[in-house]
Amino acid sequence: SQELEQSPQSLIVQEGKNLTINCTSSKTLYGLYWYKQKYGEGLIFLMMLQKGGEEKSHEKITAKLDEKKQQSSLHITASQPSHAGIYLCGAESGGSNYKLTFGKGTLLTVNP
Amino acid sequence: KAGVTQTPRYLIKTRGQQVTLSCSPISGHRSVSWYQQTPGQGLQFLFEYFSETQRNKGNFPGRFSGRQFSNSRSEMNVSTLELGDSALYLCASSSFAGGRNTIYFGEGSWLTVV
Repeated sequence: SQELEQSPQSLIVQEGKNLTINCTSSKTLYGLYWYKQKYGEGLIFLMMLQKGGEEKSHEKITAKLDEKKQQSSLHITASQPSHAGIYLCGAESGGSNYKLTFGKGTLLTVNP
Repeated sequence: KAGVTQTPRYLIKTRGQQVTLSCSPISGHRSVSWYQQTPGQGLQFLFEYFSETQRNKGNFPGRFSGRQFSNSRSEMNVSTLELGDSALYLCASSSFAGGRNTIYFGEGSWLTVV
């Protein structure tokens, strides 16, 4: 079965700093999703990457997919307290585009 | 356009009871999937429905079941509740357009089993 490893597990940054979160898959990535979650709440869709080398941006958040490394990275530029939360990557499992396998998440704290 | 709506948001049940959770997908979405989120196991796939048919099921005991109605609304049921079933249950609806699938989640239903 596919496993996703996210790093780091937690991250504390000062407001205004840049940061990167990585998501590495044990198997080929068909589709990779990034979500943000506030504790106890639902998942907010950020981006979906499908093709190797694809890069997408949403406001100050950019995500890339490296097909060869079976890895995706999420980069936040000039972090703000509103960026704080848990970032989760999810991969389409076994080629099924409706079943996601998730990483354990990265807890981001942004200090003002 | 309304998002994925889950009800109830919070509920407390006693061991041995059963519970039914409801999910209304985004209008036009025909695929609905369910996930369980716990601190120990993280997010785990329960099952997925499309046009009232279960297409895939995760590794959960038969106490966990679901169904989908003709209007794409879905329910999941857990019978004979155990303490370990305490979790956030998340519903997601998806659309496929332009060769790309997009999956949106609801706010979840917090289940506490005492």
